[in-house]
Amino acid sequence: GENVEQHPSTLSVQEGDSAVIKCTYSDSASNYFPWYKQELGKRPQLIIDIRSNVGEKKDQRIAVTLNKTAKHFSLHITETQPEDSAVYFCAARNSGYSTLTFGKGTMLLVSP
Amino acid sequence: DAGVIQSPRHEVTEMGQEVTLRCKPISGHDYLFWYRQTMMRGLELLIYFNNNVPIDDSGMPEDRFSAKMPNASFSTLKIQPSEPRDSAVYFCASRGTGGGYTFGSGTRLTVV
Repeated sequence: GENVEQHPSTLSVQEGDSAVIKCTYSDSASNYFPWYKQELGKRPQLIIDIRSNVGEKKDQRIAVTLNKTAKHFSLHITETQPEDSAVYFCAARNSGYSTLTFGKGTMLLVSP
Repeated sequence: DAGVIQSPRHEVTEMGQEVTLRCKPISGHDYLFWYRQTMMRGLELLIYFNNNVPIDDSGMPEDRFSAKMPNASFSTLKIQPSEPRDSAVYFCASRGTGGGYTFGSGTRLTVV
């Protein structure tokens, strides 16, 4: 089955800096890669996703890049703000399956 | 749309008691997933349904766990008898044709 590795497990940055979270996946047939943000005590919420026919996608301060050859994808957050502090999860799904495989999460702390 | 609705939000029970968690998916979503989240193991898929039919329950940890989906708008996850190691946050999520999951607010279960 699919295996998703996520790094780093924790990330501390100063407000205004950029943050990058990286994930690798094992199943070359995976074609859908969402990112979820989970604030303390709340539900995971989808913030951005990318499909395998696209190399990069942006939404304001958030961007995701995908390298199918290397089987890795990354989340980039620019101009970080304290409200970006949360746990971020990457995930991957093979088109032949209905379930997402999640990474273990990255706790991002943005200090003012 | 009110999103995915879970109840109760918090449950404290004594070891050996039966616990029932409830979920109402988003109307029109044909997939429903039950996840368990702990610090040690992250987000674990327990079981998922497609059109009310259980498809994969290989993540259900033991026979003490069971899940049902009697109709398109309701699902339950039951633990009987409960044990302290079952303490976790249980999330229900649903998915339509778009691909991304929408999570409920979760049920924080504490077994003492």
